[in-house]
Amino acid sequence: RKEVEQDPGPFNVPEGATVAFNCTYSNSASQSFFWYRQDCRKEPKLLMSVYSSGNEDGRFTAQLNRASQYISLLIRDSKLSDSATYLCVVNTMDSNYQLIWGAGTKLIIKP
Amino acid sequence: EPEVTQTPSHQVTQMGQEVILRCVPISNHLYFYWYRQILGQKVEFLVSFYNNEISEKSEIFDDQFSVERPDGSNFTLKIRSTKLEDSAMYFCASSESGGEGAFFGQGTRLTVV
Repeated sequence: RKEVEQDPGPFNVPEGATVAFNCTYSNSASQSFFWYRQDCRKEPKLLMSVYSSGNEDGRFTAQLNRASQYISLLIRDSKLSDSATYLCVVNTMDSNYQLIWGAGTKLIIKP
Repeated sequence: EPEVTQTPSHQVTQMGQEVILRCVPISNHLYFYWYRQILGQKVEFLVSFYNNEISEKSEIFDDQFSVERPDGSNFTLKIRSTKLEDSAMYFCASSESGGEGAFFGQGTRLTVV
């Protein structure tokens, strides 16, 4: 089983729609969770951290389900500029803060 | 807004040569990382660095690789005897603490010919 698993997509979504991604992780000792976005041939950019209580930043909502070992990202009112690959990242404290990366989910917002 | 800077943006080198990739992390950050991403593949962890020493390294980070913080601002990755399969985008990242998300530089595209 992969350490961090994501649906590779692509998700083709019309502008203005709501889209949700899930990500599962295998190590139950995982402590910190993040969503990054990466545009083609660019660096990953930290989108948001994911907290146990869930957190929201504008149109983006992240949630964590420790029991089922998955995290989710919800994007409301999607914009053309949201088109990117969304990377789920898990930081395992028992490995000295190594970041474990998912392969990413590609999102394409269509006008 | 503070950012991680990397130089050069693109490096072409002949197989067998040594390259040094340079990074200036965000100034108040204490944890530094190198990652690489082969074209079309996922981001791979290479090494983390804290308190002037390697805190963790992956299986990829073998004797061919080394890191150094030669002064108070730069963080370098040296790759010796480069191979064709070392061609990738190399990202430097830094974070204020180990439990926080890291901020990435724009990367150095290394092409080994």
